[in-house]
Amino acid sequence: AQSVTQLDSQVPVFEEAPVELRCNYSSSVSVYLFWYVQYPNQGLQLLLKYLSGSTLVKGINGFEAEFNKSQTSFHLRKPSVHISDTAEYFCAVSDPSIGTASKLTFGTGTRLQVTL
Amino acid sequence: SQTIHQWPATLVQPVGSPLSLECTVEGTSNPNLYWYRQAAGRGLQLLFYSVGIGQISSEVPQNLSASRPQDRQFILSSKKLLLSDSGFYLCAWSMRMNTEAFFGQGTRLTVV
Repeated sequence: AQSVTQLDSQVPVFEEAPVELRCNYSSSVSVYLFWYVQYPNQGLQLLLKYLSGSTLVKGINGFEAEFNKSQTSFHLRKPSVHISDTAEYFCAVSDPSIGTASKLTFGTGTRLQVTL
Repeated sequence: SQTIHQWPATLVQPVGSPLSLECTVEGTSNPNLYWYRQAAGRGLQLLFYSVGIGQISSEVPQNLSASRPQDRQFILSSKKLLLSDSGFYLCAWSMRMNTEAFFGQGTRLTVV
């Protein structure tokens, strides 16, 4: 079984400051990793994904994440946030071996609050 | 291009009433389809997934059921709603061998 832990339920940050949202996972097999963003009362939008290859993954809206296998982490970063980045961010994993690699296990989410 | 439609956007239902939420996908064939629920203060939980017409897998025991009467139609139902069924329900689809899931706009269900 897989699980995802997002250590911070809320992260307040000032505009133009850097931010890191933490994600750790637990799995007995190799995994695919994802970050999704959810704006209020909307569905989820994929920010980025790690399937294989380079451990540094770049996504949309200036976000990037680094896969660290030894620490089982996939932290999301942005060097300078904007007010419009205020949203809920979800880390997710899937098992590529079960044939439905988009069957996702989500973390509980991190609310990023950007203020002036 | 592919699009996913989910309705209604919001719904308030009394305890004990039936439920039917509908999701349709356009622009693709034979998608995998998913229903997720996001309860207040919690993450998203996979409820059901389907790899084809009439094929439904349930991930968690619950008061809900799902059906796939057509290739691109996925329905979430309940015969009698409970207060604990309140939440934000999201439909999603993916291509069979693809890793990325695409989500609908969600339905906020409040059971009163």
